[in-house]
Amino acid sequence: TQLLEQSPQFLSIQEGENLTVYCNSSSVFSSLQWYRQEPGEGPVLLVTVVTGGEVKKLKRLTFQFGDARKDSSLHITAAQPGDTGLYLCAGRRTSYGKLTFGQGTILTVHP
Amino acid sequence: DAGVIQSPRHEVTEMGQEVTLRCKPISGHNSLFWYRQTMMRGLELLIYFNNNVPIDDSGMPEDRFSAKMPNASFSTLKIQPSEPRDSAVYFCASSSGTTDTQYFGPGTRLTVL
Repeated sequence: TQLLEQSPQFLSIQEGENLTVYCNSSSVFSSLQWYRQEPGEGPVLLVTVVTGGEVKKLKRLTFQFGDARKDSSLHITAAQPGDTGLYLCAGRRTSYGKLTFGQGTILTVHP
Repeated sequence: DAGVIQSPRHEVTEMGQEVTLRCKPISGHNSLFWYRQTMMRGLELLIYFNNNVPIDDSGMPEDRFSAKMPNASFSTLKIQPSEPRDSAVYFCASSSGTTDTQYFGPGTRLTVL
């Protein structure tokens, strides 16, 4: 059983479409992070959210931390082929706890 | 500025052989993490070090796995004997502190036949 459940597992869309990826848990997290991983490389941190209800924007990417700090979402506006990759959420149960990763969402954006 | 360096990038070995994966963290980083990534289980933390001392090895699958960090610039993950179910991509990551941003290496793809 995964502590962090991501959905969907796979997402295949056309360039210009919008999409949302979800990261859910029954546990409360002190902080939650989103990573993007490209083939043959390690994950790269995109954002960290720490406050319930927090919203952060990174160009066309919008990240939200749930009010109860149990879930998070990543929304991409007008997806581009360069957004293709594996998106991972990861959380810490406590401020100094280790990171636990979700299974990931494989996003493919077709030109 | 060099990132985390891992070697080898690919390793193919036969069941029962010893495998050693190597990692050089970013200079000045005090924490080092070893992860394993598979399709079935995703990215799992195996062990992490702080100031060269192992802090949490609860993710190490079994006694066949061992990790060392003899100095601040080098760590190894050893599997002896290797088994086909150990096939995965193994990542090393480093950070300034235990809860600071982790920077991942490119990974070692291990295939055990």
